[in-house]
Amino acid sequence: ETGVTQSPTHLIKTRGQQVTLRCSSQSGHNTVSWYQQALGQGPQFIFQYYREEENGRGNFPPRFSGLQFPNYSSELNVNALELDDSALYLCASSFWTGGRFYGYTFGSGTRLTVV
Amino acid sequence: DAKTTQPPSMDCAEGRAANLPCNHSTISGNEYVYWYRQIHSQGPQYIIHGLKNNETNEMASLIITEDRKSSTLILPHATLRDTAVYYCILRSGGSNYKLTFGKGTLLTVNP
Repeated sequence: ETGVTQSPTHLIKTRGQQVTLRCSSQSGHNTVSWYQQALGQGPQFIFQYYREEENGRGNFPPRFSGLQFPNYSSELNVNALELDDSALYLCASSFWTGGRFYGYTFGSGTRLTVV
Repeated sequence: DAKTTQPPSMDCAEGRAANLPCNHSTISGNEYVYWYRQIHSQGPQYIIHGLKNNETNEMASLIITEDRKSSTLILPHATLRDTAVYYCILRSGGSNYKLTFGKGTLLTVNP
């Protein structure tokens, strides 16, 4: 098992810019979710993808978008960055089949700072 | 919003059992209880989950009350490396993968 890897580990962007964060899922996993974790808070669900289609979304505006690729890697894109978007962004992958869900494996996250 | 209530912090002596409580009085019949922990600056790590029976794995034990309104995570022999924020989470069965985190319990294991 290779685990979940995220890149970059740290990033600084200017307000109004766009950012793309990347995630490589654990081998064999077909589901990926993204979470935002502000300082001192628990992670908040952004959205999830199953077989390249979004099938769940949290309370985040449309400027947060994503993609999942055939190899199950994924991207999180954030447009028009705001200062409040500064957070740790976590990617989590899992395997789901026939109604059976297995626990998520989280990456170590990307620390995004918007200035 | 998180449907679980946990104490904000707890202390435990190294080598002793750590018992972390969680209240989930509005739990539904199809909701599982999941426990994750997050060591500083890392992603959350899966510990254990259960529906209604007690569960044990190499990391911990999960005790769920008969009415399922509360549960306890037990780390049998806490080490300094177990210092982390522990999250108790409810997740529905089926295709709803969303995990709703609260603020968790900061467990500090002292030497």
